[in-house]
Parts: sequence; C-alpha cells; structure tokens
Amino acid sequence: KQEVTQIPAALSVPEGENLVLNCSFTDSAIYNLQWFRQDPGKGLTSLLLIQSSQREQTSGRLNASLDKSSGRSTLYIAASQPGDSATYLCAVRDSAGNMLTFGGGTRLMVKP
Amino acid sequence: ETGVTQSPTHLIKTRGQQVTLRCSSQSGHNTVSWYQQALGQGPQFIFQYYREEENGRGNFPPRFSGLQFPNYSSELNVNALELDDSALYLCASSFDWGGEQFFGPGTRLTVL
Repeated sequence: KQEVTQIPAALSVPEGENLVLNCSFTDSAIYNLQWFRQDPGKGLTSLLLIQSSQREQTSGRLNASLDKSSGRSTLYIAASQPGDSATYLCAVRDSAGNMLTFGGGTRLMVKP
Repeated sequence: ETGVTQSPTHLIKTRGQQVTLRCSSQSGHNTVSWYQQALGQGPQFIFQYYREEENGRGNFPPRFSGLQFPNYSSELNVNALELDDSALYLCASSFDWGGEQFFGPGTRLTVL
C-alpha cells in the first residue's frame, strides 16, 4: 500500500525567502506525481504534474523534482510572497492504479 | 473553458439520512474521481469513473456509490449517513484515467 509523507507539516517564513517542501513515498512504481495548493476550505489547485519518466517540472517561481528510485519529490518556491500562504499537497498515482494517494500536506505561511 | 463545478456548496444532514452530491467535469474530460477530505488531512480516494464505468475504488464501504452520465458529469451517493462522514467532498476530472487531475471547489457535508 502506497504511503505518502510530507515534511514539514507547517512552515513559517519571511517574505522573499526561497523554500523547499518535501514529499516521500514508499512504493517507487508510480505513474506520475502531482503537487497541489489548497486555500482554507477550498478545492485543490494543480501546480505541477511530473510523469514518472521526468526528473523535474517548472512553472514560474515553482520547480518540482522527482527522484523515483529514492521515493522523493521536492517543491521549490523561489522568492516567496504572502500570497503563497496555503497548504501544499503532494499526491502520487501508482503505475497499476487510477487513484491519487495524498500526503498530509505542508501548511505554509509567508509573513510580510 | 469551464472548470470543474460541484453542487451544493454546503449541506447539513442528520445521521441515517441519504445524500447526493453532483459534479460537472471540465470540458473534454472523460474521467471523474471522488475524494473525501477530513479536516486537517489529505484527501482520501473514494472511487473513479471512466467512460461511465467504475474504474477503481478506495477503502470505502458500499454505502458510498456513484454514477457517471453520458456527458461525463457524476454523482456521489452516500446512504445511512454517519457522523464520521462529515467532510469536504472533492470531485476531480481528467482527460483519461491517468491524466492531470483538476479539482472542483468541493461540497462541505455536515452530519449531525
């Protein structure tokens, strides 16, 4: 059974800092990995999708990497802004399955 | 292009009642997945529908059932509601079963 862990559970940083969010998964036989953002009480916004054959994806100030063999992904946020404050969720799709398995999320607060 | 929509936004039911939640997928998407998200946790996969057929199910009892219609919209039905069913229910659509998932805003269900 796939298990996904996100560390840290919460993070508070001053505006302008570069930061890294971590995601680890137990079964390396994945189809793809997706990073999401969730604002309080809202749905999920897709940030980046990395296919199992890819090493990284970039979108604006966001960069996600994938090391499938070690079961790890990182989300790098450059020059953080107060508007980045949200919960960030990592989810993996198993190669044999059709479901996303989510981590518990990292709650990020960026202080002005 | 219309994104994923869900109705209703909020719902209050009493224990033992039945509820139906609705989801309209994003234009061009043929796959709908449903997730349950308890407060402070990551979403848990309930089931997925691909071209009107159930295409995978998570660890949820049979009183959680669903449908997908020819226009690829979907319903989640929950019978015999329990207090623990109180959660945010999220619907996600994708172009094909393994594609990037796009989430709706969710339905907040409260069971009293």
